[in-house]
Amino acid sequence: EVQLVESGGGLVQPGGSLRLSCAASGFTFSSYWMHWVRQAPGKGLVWVSRINSDGSSTSYADSVKGRFTISRDNAKNTLYLQMNSLRAEDTAVYYCARDAGCSSTSCYYGTFDYWGQGTLVTVSS
Amino acid sequence: DIQMTQSPSSLSASVGDRVTITCRASQSISSYLNWYQQKPGKAPKLLIYAASSLQSGVPSRFSGSGSGTDFTLTISSLQPEDFATYYCQQSYSTPWFTFGPGTKVDIK
Repeated sequence: EVQLVESGGGLVQPGGSLRLSCAASGFTFSSYWMHWVRQAPGKGLVWVSRINSDGSSTSYADSVKGRFTISRDNAKNTLYLQMNSLRAEDTAVYYCARDAGCSSTSCYYGTFDYWGQGTLVTVSS
Repeated sequence: DIQMTQSPSSLSASVGDRVTITCRASQSISSYLNWYQQKPGKAPKLLIYAASSLQSGVPSRFSGSGSGTDFTLTISSLQPEDFATYYCQQSYSTPWFTFGPGTKVDIK
């Protein structure tokens, strides 16, 4: 069974830092792209960042570029999101999500087939 | 950037109703369109991928159609567990994926 479990959320002051983790199990973690998606309270879903399977390629939404860093440790089956220079508008539940990738016949990059339960990040003084 | 819109933003329906939600992209995205269901306090769940393919384990009352810029999600007979918010998402513009604003389905 695929499981994704986020941790590391909490209350942080504006300008502060936080590192989120996502522990993966039930699949070959090193074979899949992974993503972070966030959801501000009462709002919709927003894609934040993506990392490819070996960690050599990353992408970010403009709103977090230069402040957030996505990384992974395939030996530990863990995805990370280092968040620096946090702002009030970064307050959200952060989800890690697995990318569906390719089947034997087709590729579905950018399709999020499994999600963690989310971890809440609150940026406030 | 590709913008996604959904209509309606909310709807009230009864158990057994046929429900249709529309999603529109600001430019052609071929069939790179996914649908998710989210219940309060829970993570989103993938329902439909590639516009019309049903994710494993999802009931067959859910179906998707469309290509280009216009897409629909249909629930053929609404069940109590289907009351939730539904999001469309484009996966055409890799890796800058965007979601629609959501459609909340509640009980009439």
